[in-house]
Amino acid sequence: SYVLTQPPSVSVAPGQTARITCGGNNIGSKSVHWYQQKPGQAPVLVVYDDSDRPSGIPERFSGSNSGNTATLTISRVEAGDEADYYCQVWDSSSDHYVFGTGTKVTVL
Amino acid sequence: QVQLVESGGGLVKPGGSLRLSCAASGFTFSDYYMSWIRQAPGKGLEWVSYISSSGSTIYSADSVKGRFTMSRDNAKNSLHLQMNSLRVEDTAVYYCAGGILGGAFDIWGQGTMVTVSS
Repeated sequence: SYVLTQPPSVSVAPGQTARITCGGNNIGSKSVHWYQQKPGQAPVLVVYDDSDRPSGIPERFSGSNSGNTATLTISRVEAGDEADYYCQVWDSSSDHYVFGTGTKVTVL
Repeated sequence: QVQLVESGGGLVKPGGSLRLSCAASGFTFSDYYMSWIRQAPGKGLEWVSYISSSGSTIYSADSVKGRFTMSRDNAKNSLHLQMNSLRVEDTAVYYCAGGILGGAFDIWGQGTMVTVSS
């Protein structure tokens, strides 16, 4: 089955840039979506189709995808960005959705 | 406003059954593919099952195949998950989620807790 691997945690100072990676075999050939989940809340879509943002999501959130790694970048990090982040793809070989292992972003 | 509201969670013994429901409002439900996604306490997100906008295509995770059945009623703007032969490891918050953006889920419910314990 297809596996998406994320770093367990990323720490970043306010105003700096956080980069969260999502590794998967030839993930560059798939569309990657990213979700933000704050404690006790449902996930929120922040990036879809590798790099597009839903309406209402700040431009500080951006994405890229190439080769075996997709990346969610959060620029000018704010305290409110502290959350868990998950990547997600559709694996057509198994007809399964797959979520990454999740990354906890801590704002120092 | 755009909303998904889950119901039907609760405490059930191993081997028991539950039926989860998800009521949609504020958007054209019949345009959206839907999924159930769960999250065990302190763990990450796990996809459970998918149904196409028309209901003609259903996929399920290997961990629930043969035990869980997903369905939808577009006339009633509702989604269901029939869960049979429940196991302790099925304990989780169950979210219904919908999408129209190429595989992403842009609408989520608040979740309903399912606890499987003797």
